[in-house]
Amino acid sequence: DAGVIQSPRHEVTEMGQEVTLRCKPISGHDYLFWYRQTMMRGLELLIYFNNNVPIDDSGMPEDRFSAKMPNASFSTLKIQPSEPRDSAVYFCASSPGPRSGEQFFGPGTRLTVL
Amino acid sequence: EDQVTQSPEALRLQEGESSSLNCSYTVSGLRGLFWYRQDPGKGPEFLFTLYSAGEEKEKERLKATLTKKESFLHITAPKPEDSATYLCAIQAAGNKLTFGGGTRVLVKP
Repeated sequence: DAGVIQSPRHEVTEMGQEVTLRCKPISGHDYLFWYRQTMMRGLELLIYFNNNVPIDDSGMPEDRFSAKMPNASFSTLKIQPSEPRDSAVYFCASSPGPRSGEQFFGPGTRLTVL
Repeated sequence: EDQVTQSPEALRLQEGESSSLNCSYTVSGLRGLFWYRQDPGKGPEFLFTLYSAGEEKEKERLKATLTKKESFLHITAPKPEDSATYLCAIQAAGNKLTFGGGTRVLVKP
């Protein structure tokens, strides 16, 4: 298995632009998680899905952020409009239920908003 | 609110110099405590799960232990390839993980 796949690996955009991050989880995994990592705040959970259904989005910072999982093999995290404070590394992770704490992380997308 | 605090923030070791990393936590109803390793520019990699006080897990030079308030990750006779950031996370109700800030370990030859 190729593991969790994320694209793009790097994204540089200007403030106000829309940004879409993509994730393909490991086949057969029931849970999908989106995290954000910064030096100041560490690794924070934004939202997670179980069987394609959003379960907990309490970590999504504000309405500018949205996430979807239209099927078991694809998820997106969208930021519209983007702001410089959104600059961070965004990770997608998946896990097989019920051991959902044992998560497999993708390589991350490094987002820079100018 | 669930909280995880890791110490020290950074650790410099000579090759072969054993040491321990600490992860203290506050949570109501711990379902599991998890250790991850993160190399620069990569996503975290799962290492261990601990479920109850007194439990221990080992993998090569790493040994994780759990008490009611903290967990330790012992690194025995480390090698340069053990250099990484080690993250601790707790899981309470639901499936959400709360991560600590990590300990950056540098093992010099």
